[in-house]
Amino acid sequence: DVKVTQSSRYLVKRTGEKVFLECVQDMDHENMFWYRQDPGLGLRLIYFSYDVKMKEKGDIPEGYSVSREKKERFSLILESASTNQTSMYLCASSDSGRGSYNEQFFGPGTRLTVL
Amino acid sequence: KNEVEQSPQNLTAQEGEFITINCSYSVGISALHWLQQHPGGGIVSLFMLSSGKKKHGRLIATINIQEKHSSLHITASHPRDSAVYICAAPTGNQFYFGTGTSLTVIP
Repeated sequence: DVKVTQSSRYLVKRTGEKVFLECVQDMDHENMFWYRQDPGLGLRLIYFSYDVKMKEKGDIPEGYSVSREKKERFSLILESASTNQTSMYLCASSDSGRGSYNEQFFGPGTRLTVL
Repeated sequence: KNEVEQSPQNLTAQEGEFITINCSYSVGISALHWLQQHPGGGIVSLFMLSSGKKKHGRLIATINIQEKHSSLHITASHPRDSAVYICAAPTGNQFYFGTGTSLTVIP
């Protein structure tokens, strides 16, 4: 079974803190994605990566950065957390090929609250 | 403007009922995905289809590429089917998601 794990299920941080969200997949997938999910807005793509050290902006990259130093690990960084970044964050991975045509496998999500 | 529209947003059904969730999209795609999200957050991929129909147990997904429309059907619905169902349309390097249909099946 494909397994995508995220470092925390719940996280509470203060405004201005630097926040790291980690995602690890064990299926040797090339593509990895970070989404946020908000009520009424659905899933929105923040960043994705199709190879080690490669990254591309999604729909809402402002206030976020990412790092992919190893194939299995994709980190989302909130440089200076703000209250409007309170959300559910979901990581996903998919098999080879640049693009998102292949089935995506999702992690359990991290519910981040910024106070 | 939403590239992917789902209906209904919320749906309550009695156990055993036949359920249909609809998805319309405006982007050009070669395949459409249906996802299921249970309370607590985890998302599971149900189907990826590019034409015709796929069936998995009590779940059936259909797609009409020309009309840019897909449906997800659940036969003999059960309370454990209660979840949010999301359709997703990949195009280029992007994935466009519907806002989801929240289904509650009452015993």
